[in-house]
Amino acid sequence: SYELTQPPSVSVSPGQTANITCSGDKLGDKYTCWYQQRPGQSPVLVIYYDDKRPSGIPERFSGSTSGNTATLTISGTQPMDEADYYCQPWDSSSYVFGTGTMLTVL
Amino acid sequence: QVQLVQSGTEGKKAGASVKVSCKASGYTFTGYYIFWVRQAPGQGLEWMGWIDPKSGRTRYLQKFQGRVTMTRDTSINTAYMELSTLRSDDTAVYYCAKEGELSLDYWGQGTLVTVSS
Repeated sequence: SYELTQPPSVSVSPGQTANITCSGDKLGDKYTCWYQQRPGQSPVLVIYYDDKRPSGIPERFSGSTSGNTATLTISGTQPMDEADYYCQPWDSSSYVFGTGTMLTVL
Repeated sequence: QVQLVQSGTEGKKAGASVKVSCKASGYTFTGYYIFWVRQAPGQGLEWMGWIDPKSGRTRYLQKFQGRVTMTRDTSINTAYMELSTLRSDDTAVYYCAKEGELSLDYWGQGTLVTVSS
């Protein structure tokens, strides 16, 4: 089965930039989306098509892909961004999620 | 506005079945697939399968084949996920989500299913 690897945790100070990576075989051949999940809440789509932001998602969220790695970047991180983040390459043969990254803002 | 409203918390005994509903509003129900995703306590997201509300066609993750059935009722814009022969490791929050542009753009509030032995 297709496997995706994310760092279990990332820490960042308020106002700084957080980078969350997602690695998988031939990830660059797929479009990747990212979800934010705050504690006790449902996931929210924050990036799709590698780098597109849905309506209502702040501009500080951005995405990119290079080779086998997709990256979610949060610029000027705010305390409200503290959450779990999951990547998901969109592939009609398997809809696997990344292992998830807990972002701590401190 | 798009909304997916799921049925409430369920408590089941091992071996029983559970059926979770997902009522859609704010968009054309038959125009987008509905996906089902689950999340065990303290764990990550796990895709279970999807249903095309227009045709009723389904696809399930192999690990759930034979135990999961996804259906829909287009007259009331509602999708259903039934999981049978429940085990303790099926204890999880079950989400429905609407297909977006190569993504899941709207999610239900989740339904907690607790399985006891």
